[in-house]
Amino acid sequence: EDQVTQSPEALRLQEGESSSLNCSYTVSGLRGLFWYRQDPGKGPEFLFTLYSAGEEKEKERLKATLTKKESFLHITAPKPEDSATYLCAVRGNNNNDMRFGAGTRLTVKP
Amino acid sequence: DTEVTQTPKHLVMGMTNKKSLKCEQHMGHRAMYWYKQKAKKPPELMFVYSYEKLSINESVPSRFSPECPNSSLLNLHLHALQPEDSALYLCASSQQTGGQPQHFGDGTRLSIL
Repeated sequence: EDQVTQSPEALRLQEGESSSLNCSYTVSGLRGLFWYRQDPGKGPEFLFTLYSAGEEKEKERLKATLTKKESFLHITAPKPEDSATYLCAVRGNNNNDMRFGAGTRLTVKP
Repeated sequence: DTEVTQTPKHLVMGMTNKKSLKCEQHMGHRAMYWYKQKAKKPPELMFVYSYEKLSINESVPSRFSPECPNSSLLNLHLHALQPEDSALYLCASSQQTGGQPQHFGDGTRLSIL
């Protein structure tokens, strides 16, 4: 069965303090690994899709990377508006749906 | 603003009421999804529609009844819900049920009295 584990559960950063969020996964035939951002009371906002090991994608202060076992979401010089829950999800060959991790709650203090 | 629109944004209903949640997308996506999300938990898949046909039902109780009238619309009919059904109900869509990303609406916050 596909599994996704995110760490840490919660992360508090000072503005400008760069860090990384981890998403470890086991899946039978990766068809896609997805990163989402979710603000309180809102639906998940799509950030990135990664399909194969070695792939990297960037958007503003965020950079997502992928290996055969895990993905990292690197946040460079974060701002308070980056505070949100970041969700990782995978889709494997055996599923028609995404398997979500529990998320990392990021707080960036000014 | 999201491209998946859900109505209503909030709904309060009694356990004997019948109500419906609505979802609409105009991105030409052929797969649509219903998720349930409890506080501080990830979304849990309920139903998947592919080309207007139900392809996945994750053992959801019959008090939840999905309907896909056409490729742009998705409904979730609610009847005789329980207090534990109170949650954020999210709709999503994707081009197909493959490796494409799903795009979510902002959900309906449902409270059962």
